[in-house]
Amino acid sequence: QSVLTQPPSASGTPGQRVTISCSGSSSNIGSNTVAWYQQLPGTAPKLIMYTNSQRPSGVPDRFSGSKSGTSASLAISGLQSEDEADYYCITWDDNLNGPVFGGGTKLTVL
Amino acid sequence: QVQLQESGPGLVKPSETLSLTCAVSGYSISTGYYWGWIRQPPGKGLEWVATIFHSGTTFYNPSLESRVTISLDKPKNQFSLKLTSMTAADRAIYYCARLVTYYHDTNGYSIWFDPWGPGTLVTVSS
Repeated sequence: QSVLTQPPSASGTPGQRVTISCSGSSSNIGSNTVAWYQQLPGTAPKLIMYTNSQRPSGVPDRFSGSKSGTSASLAISGLQSEDEADYYCITWDDNLNGPVFGGGTKLTVL
Repeated sequence: QVQLQESGPGLVKPSETLSLTCAVSGYSISTGYYWGWIRQPPGKGLEWVATIFHSGTTFYNPSLESRVTISLDKPKNQFSLKLTSMTAADRAIYYCARLVTYYHDTNGYSIWFDPWGPGTLVTVSS
């Protein structure tokens, strides 16, 4: 069971906007920032968001991130077929004294 | 461009020790940053295993701490993972990655693993 809670699945049609949530506690998301990864089948995770809402170079601006209290969200607008992947959140946990991941959300583009 | 590449046995016998190495190119691990290992059982989520600072300070996932050791080999610009008493539950893709960390007075810690190696699948079987 992961320290951070994500919905196991999400879906949308091409062009839609979808949001993936990541819920934690005061010792992790509540006091630190969140990053997000996209993982395509058979590949290593790819960083798509850091420090809550900062996009690495090359990540489309269709991807956006936010944080409020002990929860964070990743939004994908203008959904495309190539966005179909697993998405993971990560943050620092003050009690664990280490990084913690969410359980992952499988995004399906219908 | 920083690149990482894992290496090690793809098959380990139960109760034996797993030894993995991560070769780093494009950056000297002696210079800075944390370096770490993450694992992912096939079809499941990501789990942080261990992290080491360029100075040698180590951090371990409490659930694995009694069995895991991470170390640096600065002359070879690589770092390693040892996991003892392997069981079927340790079957996973093992990734090495650089851990970037920043501390903000108002936002706390910002951390992310980037870049990652391609990963190596480790199976536990007799």
